[in-house]
Amino acid sequence: SQQGEEDPQALSIQEGENATMNCSYKTSINNLQWYRQNSGRGLVHLILIRSNEREKHSGRLRVTLDTSKKSSSLLITASRAADTASYFCATDPKGYGGATNKLIFGTGTLLAVQP
Amino acid sequence: GAVVSQHPSWVICKSGTSVKIECRSLDFQATTMFWYRQFPKQSLMLMATSNEGSKATYEQGVEKDKFLINHASLTLSTLTVTSAHPEDSSFYICSANLQGQPQHFGDGTRLSIL
Repeated sequence: SQQGEEDPQALSIQEGENATMNCSYKTSINNLQWYRQNSGRGLVHLILIRSNEREKHSGRLRVTLDTSKKSSSLLITASRAADTASYFCATDPKGYGGATNKLIFGTGTLLAVQP
Repeated sequence: GAVVSQHPSWVICKSGTSVKIECRSLDFQATTMFWYRQFPKQSLMLMATSNEGSKATYEQGVEKDKFLINHASLTLSTLTVTSAHPEDSSFYICSANLQGQPQHFGDGTRLSIL
């Protein structure tokens, strides 16, 4: 399977703490994206980092990418109860011609932020 | 902007029934639409990639005759689960994108086959 691995599978923290999720993948990529999914809902795009970028910020989100290790991390700072959701990384593998032509999702991290 | 609507959100039907799920891009014309399947507490598995006016490209292991995809326009793709059985019960999610842009997801359809 090409599917990426995420760890931890589940993470429980207190409001105000930071949450870090890691993603490893298997193939060369055009870009890596992080998505959020609330229970029983569709996915919301959070951030995209290209293969030639090492770090990207968006609000309380910080994403890093290490293509030599085929890994990425998502940091959510000053977490809130509303951040409770599942978080998935997804890679756009090279060979499929262009960004976001096809996504391979990781296994996901279930984040619970306790108020 | 970039809203994708999926309908219905929840279906319960008897074994042997065929079920059609619609995916519409409401405020943009999608280059490509994608169909995913998600089992409880698991990740999304890509089923097929659909381009307007051409046949869908199915992932390995996905039965073309079981999961019929029609992409009649740049704003509408449909997935029909033919002769559905309990093992087809799952959460089906579509997404749509413009070339070079992130995928935008529908809210999913929960399919329960009795």
